[in-house]
Amino acid sequence: AQSVTQLDSHVSVSEGTPVLLRCNYSSSYSPSLFWYVQHPNKGLQLLLKYTSAATLVKGINGFEAEFKKSETSFHLTKPSAHMSDAAEYFCVVSDPTGFQKLVFGTGTRLLVSP
Amino acid sequence: EADIYQTPRYLVIGTGKKITLECSQTMGHDKMYWYQQDPGMELHLIHYSYGVNSTEKGDLSSESTVSRIRTEHFPLTLESARPSHTSQYLCASRQTSGGSDTQYFGPGTRLTVL
Repeated sequence: AQSVTQLDSHVSVSEGTPVLLRCNYSSSYSPSLFWYVQHPNKGLQLLLKYTSAATLVKGINGFEAEFKKSETSFHLTKPSAHMSDAAEYFCVVSDPTGFQKLVFGTGTRLLVSP
Repeated sequence: EADIYQTPRYLVIGTGKKITLECSQTMGHDKMYWYQQDPGMELHLIHYSYGVNSTEKGDLSSESTVSRIRTEHFPLTLESARPSHTSQYLCASRQTSGGSDTQYFGPGTRLTVL
């Protein structure tokens, strides 16, 4: 079965400093991995996805993530945080069996201070 | 930008009422999903559909039911709402053509049952 573990429930950074949100996955198959962002009272927005092409994936708003098979990790990074980045971030793995549903991590709340 | 819509965005209703949460997408996607998300928690799949006249229950047991009479429409119904149904409900549809494998989410319906 597929699963993801988001290692931090909250991450606090100052505006202009780097962001690192950590995610480890477990999958019996070659996984498809995603990062979604959810702003308060908004729906989920896809930030980026990995589907077995390049291991370094670039997404929207300056975010990127690196797929490391040896470490079973898919950490999300951004060189310089902006106040508008404050939101909940979900690491997600796609289950390729059956109906290929998405399996969500518990989320990491990113707090950005001035 | 994904074209997937949910109405209402917010609903406060009394116990015992019948409610229907609407979800529509204009992208022609065959596969659609309903997720339930409690505050501060991850999403759990409660229903999915392969296409017209196809519906299946997801991982999380739910007293709700769904129907799929048209490709673009995937409503969720609670026959008798209870306070335990208070949650956010997110609808999604999935693109699988053109080498892509992405679920697009609607903005969600936040349901409160008094």
